[in-house]
This record gives sequence, structure tokens and C-alpha cells, in this order.
Amino acid sequence: GENVEQHPSTLSVQEGDSAVIKCTYSDSASNYFPWYKQELGKGPQLIIDIRSNVGEKKDQRIAVTLNKTAKHFSLHITETQPEDSAVYFCAAITGTYKYIFGTGTRLKVLA
Amino acid sequence: SAVISQKPSRDICQRGTSLTIQCQVDSQVTMMFWYRQQPGQSLTLIATANQGSEATYESGFVIDKFPISRPNLTFSTLTVSNMSPEDSSIYLCSACSTTNEKLFFGSGTQLSVL
Repeated sequence: GENVEQHPSTLSVQEGDSAVIKCTYSDSASNYFPWYKQELGKGPQLIIDIRSNVGEKKDQRIAVTLNKTAKHFSLHITETQPEDSAVYFCAAITGTYKYIFGTGTRLKVLA
Repeated sequence: SAVISQKPSRDICQRGTSLTIQCQVDSQVTMMFWYRQQPGQSLTLIATANQGSEATYESGFVIDKFPISRPNLTFSTLTVSNMSPEDSSIYLCSACSTTNEKLFFGSGTQLSVL
């Protein structure tokens, strides 16, 4: 079946450094790739997304890249801040509303 | 984006009882879903809430255990029936807007079963 692998499971960075989280998907028909940030005690929040006809998208300190040939996509956070500490989930969507989520990455930004 | 209100935010329940979780969306949405998130885990889809008809359940989830209603476009409930400690999880309501497939989540219900 469809699968999304996410790495690393935990990531610690110093404040101001960059953080990169990578996901690999199995279904070549996947065409939409969102990223979610989940803070403790809250629901996942959509922070950025990319469609299969685009290779890169940036929103301030956050960027997402997509390599369709290799079937992987990555989240890049630059100039990390303590408030970036959270669990991040990637997802791949195949067809209509069929979301496959990654296993999550716990990011800790050390002040 | 859609604003999703979910309640209760948390509850502690006794084994064998049932809990109904309510979800209200502030705008017209096409699809509503219920997810379960076990401690430290990813998101698992329980079912798609269909307006005015029976929900569509994923493998491993059944209507007798997780009855779902969606009487109109913007409101849905999930009941966790005959609870056991294994049902202790976060339950999340989510919805897609009518214009695209962006998925938004409520704040979740933290359920603990003793």
C-alpha cells in the first residue's frame, strides 16, 4: 500500500541553525504534499504545501522542495527559533482527499 | 482556511462508558474526517463523515465502536463506545475546504480511559 517514510524521528539544533526534515513516498500518483506543525496539546497546523508541478516553494523561513523522480520532499527551516520546537508531519495525497502521513519528527531548538 | 472547534478538549472516562466528541467548522467544507493519534504516534484515519449518510470507515475501525454523525455540512460527532484503556488517545476532527484539498484540524480531544 501507499507509504510515507519520514526522517529523522528527532532533531535537535541550536537556535539560529537550519533544520531539514525529509520524507519519501511510494505512490508515484501522489500530487500534493503538505507539512504540518503540531505543538503540545494542539492539533496539527498546516504550515506549507507544494504541488507536484512545482519543485520548490518558500514562505519566509520555511521552504519545501520536491523531487518527483526520486519521490522525496523536504522541509527546510532556516534561522530556527525556540518557538519552532514542535512535532512536524509530512503527508502525501493520492487521488481525492486520501492523505498518507509520515511518522513525525520531533524538533527541538536549543536556546 | 477553516476554523474547526472541537469539544471537549480533554476528558477522563471510566472503562465501559461512552464519550461523544463534537466538531463544528466555521465555513462550508466538502469533507470531514476523524483521526486518532496515539501517544507519540502519527495520525490514523478512523473514518470519513458523510453528510446525511453512514460514515465510511477505514480498516480496523467499525461503526459499533466509533459511531459518527454528520447531520449538516459543518457539524459532526464521533462517539467512542464501551471504552477501554486502549482507547486512550487524541481524537482529531479535520475538514477540507470546498475549493481545494487543504486539510485543517481541530485542536483535538485528549481522552484518558481508566
